[in-house]
Amino acid sequence: EVQLVESGGGLVQPGGSLRLSCAASGFTFSSYSMNWVRQAPGKGLEWVSYISSSSSTIYYADSVKGRFTISRDNAKNSLYLQMNSLRDEDTAVYYCARSGYGDYVTYWGQGTLVTVSS
Amino acid sequence: EIVLTQSPATLSLSPGERATLSCRASQSVSSYLAWYQQKPGQAPRLLIYDASNRATGIPARFSGSGSGTDFTLTISSLEPEDFAVYYCQQRSNWPRSTFGGGTKVEIK
Repeated sequence: EVQLVESGGGLVQPGGSLRLSCAASGFTFSSYSMNWVRQAPGKGLEWVSYISSSSSTIYYADSVKGRFTISRDNAKNSLYLQMNSLRDEDTAVYYCARSGYGDYVTYWGQGTLVTVSS
Repeated sequence: EIVLTQSPATLSLSPGERATLSCRASQSVSSYLAWYQQKPGQAPRLLIYDASNRATGIPARFSGSGSGTDFTLTISSLEPEDFAVYYCQQRSNWPRSTFGGGTKVEIK
C-alpha cells in the first residue's frame, strides 16, 4: 500500500523558515516523480513544486520561486521542502504527492499544516 | 496561466440522482484534464485522468468527458459516500498546472 507521511509543519513568524519532510513507503520511491501541493484553509488546491525521480528536473510555482527548495533522498525514501522567507499567504496544508499517469497526482499524503503568523 | 472555472459552486442532490459537474478552461488544454474528489479532513483522491480515463479502483459510476475547453464529470447515481468537493486540474502547460475552484456536491 502506498503511504506518504508528512511532518515538519507548525507555527512560524513571517520571514521565518520551515522544513517539511515526507516519508514514502509501499512503492519504489526512486522510480517516481514527486510534488508538493498546498491548500489554504477553506480554499482550493495549488501546485507548489515538482521533482523528477533522479532530481534532474525541478519546477516551482511562481508564488514560491526563490523562497522554497524541493529535494529528495532516494536512499531514505524521503521528500523535502525547505521554505524560507515565509509569508502570511503561505499558510496552508501542504501535501506530499506522487506523480502518475503522466504527471497527474495519483497519491497524496494526509498533509501537514503550516501557519505563518506573528 | 490557464484558468479553470468550475460550475456550479454547489450542487444539491439526493442519493440515487445523477450529478453533472462542469469545468471550463480559459484556453484549450486538449485532453490533459483530471478530476479529484476531496472529503472533509481528507486528502484529495484522483478519479479521472486525461479527461475520460478512470483511475485504478474508481467505480464505474464516475465518468469524464470533454476536450479542448469544456469538460464534464458525471456521477451516474450518487452514493452516500460521493458527497464531497470535486476539483478539476489541467496539466496542458506542465509544470504550470492549475486547479479549478471546486464544486461541492451536498445532500439535498
